[in-house]
Amino acid sequence: DTAVSQTPKYLVTQMGNDKSIKCEQNLGHDTMYWYKQDSKKFLKIMFSYNNKELIINETVPNRFSPKSPDKAHLNLHINSLELGDSAVYFCASTGGPGLTDTQYFGPGTRLTVL
Amino acid sequence: TQLLEQSPQFLSIQEGENLTVYCNSSSVFSSLQWYRQEPGEGPVLLVTVVTGGEVKKLKRLTFQFGDARKDSSLHITAAQPGDTGLYLCAGARSGYSTLTFGKGTMLLVSP
Repeated sequence: DTAVSQTPKYLVTQMGNDKSIKCEQNLGHDTMYWYKQDSKKFLKIMFSYNNKELIINETVPNRFSPKSPDKAHLNLHINSLELGDSAVYFCASTGGPGLTDTQYFGPGTRLTVL
Repeated sequence: TQLLEQSPQFLSIQEGENLTVYCNSSSVFSSLQWYRQEPGEGPVLLVTVVTGGEVKKLKRLTFQFGDARKDSSLHITAAQPGDTGLYLCAGARSGYSTLTFGKGTMLLVSP
């Protein structure tokens, strides 16, 4: 069984469009994250949710809006897509609040904005 | 300026060779993690080190946390093609609620 799953795996879209990426974890974790990995493989935190509540927003443009309908799901909606949004987006979850806890990553969503 | 500098950026070796990759910083970290990311997949945790000077072994992989907790190294003995991937270090700092990732070392092991 997949621990952290994301859909879609690939997303190709035009500039200006709005798109969503979905994430689900079946690990029973309370904390979920969205990361962005750029073309140089740099992995940067975007958001962190704990038990459906936003706890970290790392100065991400407000075109990005995460939503957590329940603690097993964390979706990412992006409005007015720009070329610079092209990247791989990873969802992750942890069982505890501490930073020594294992982060379980999803397989990633490769977003290409044309 | 990158908080965690990883070196080398790329490493291409033959099966059976030994290698060491480094993760360095001028900041002190309360803990440091190493992840491996294979193409098309998310990173997978290999190890967490929390004590200065700590050494952990995972089969042919040896991880060390520097005495001052500012750096770490990953040594692989007798590398195999299955070791191919992007190795990322990630550190946690006191007073910060997120991990900081390095840019990674891309390792290619050829048969």
